[in-house]
Amino acid sequence: QQQVKQSPQSLIVQKGGISIINCAYENTAFDYFPWYQQFPGKGPALLIAIRPDVSEKKEGRFTISFNKSAKQFSLHIMDSQPGDSATYFCAAGQGGSEKLVFGKGTKLTVNP
Amino acid sequence: DAGITQSPRHKVTETGTPVTLRCHQTENHRYMYWYRQDPGHGLRLIHYSYGVKDTDKGEVSDGYSVSRSKTEDFLLTLESATSSQTSVYFCAISESLAVSYEQYFGPGTRLTVT
Repeated sequence: QQQVKQSPQSLIVQKGGISIINCAYENTAFDYFPWYQQFPGKGPALLIAIRPDVSEKKEGRFTISFNKSAKQFSLHIMDSQPGDSATYFCAAGQGGSEKLVFGKGTKLTVNP
Repeated sequence: DAGITQSPRHKVTETGTPVTLRCHQTENHRYMYWYRQDPGHGLRLIHYSYGVKDTDKGEVSDGYSVSRSKTEDFLLTLESATSSQTSVYFCAISESLAVSYEQYFGPGTRLTVT
């Protein structure tokens, strides 16, 4: 049972373009939504996270947009760079549970 | 990087043999996790620990056991390895999702079962 659905599975973007990755969840008790970035041969690392009390969070070129009513959240990477090429995972967590549920990941390739 | 090490980093073993993977942390974090990562499946939780000798199952726990005798060490054991357990295994730690909202991941162990 997949609780967090992530799309697309892979994404190719030209340098300078906008990369958009989407996630949808089912459990309305989720109250923490992080995005992780993973480079080949490395462990995932937290990129940016949002709580449902805000609709958007921006850190540099990375923005999370959150739609509580639709139970969806997305990662936008502005001015995408080849160094952004990585696998991105969305996840969801619930207060009182120390576990995260991860999406299946999106492999992003930014062409120079 | 958070102080997390995994050993071994690479291992090739034969079907039916026992395998133990080790995760060691120097952050004194309470929570520790074992995930496996497979193409098309993302990260799936195997087991996690919320304290010394306190562990619980994740979504893909069959065929795996864990132990945590010290805060800093979390062991994952495959009692009798099977080819379906060929994967990359990641350990993660967390102080508490209620405190820092972050899990820190180790560098991973690539396990091949032949």
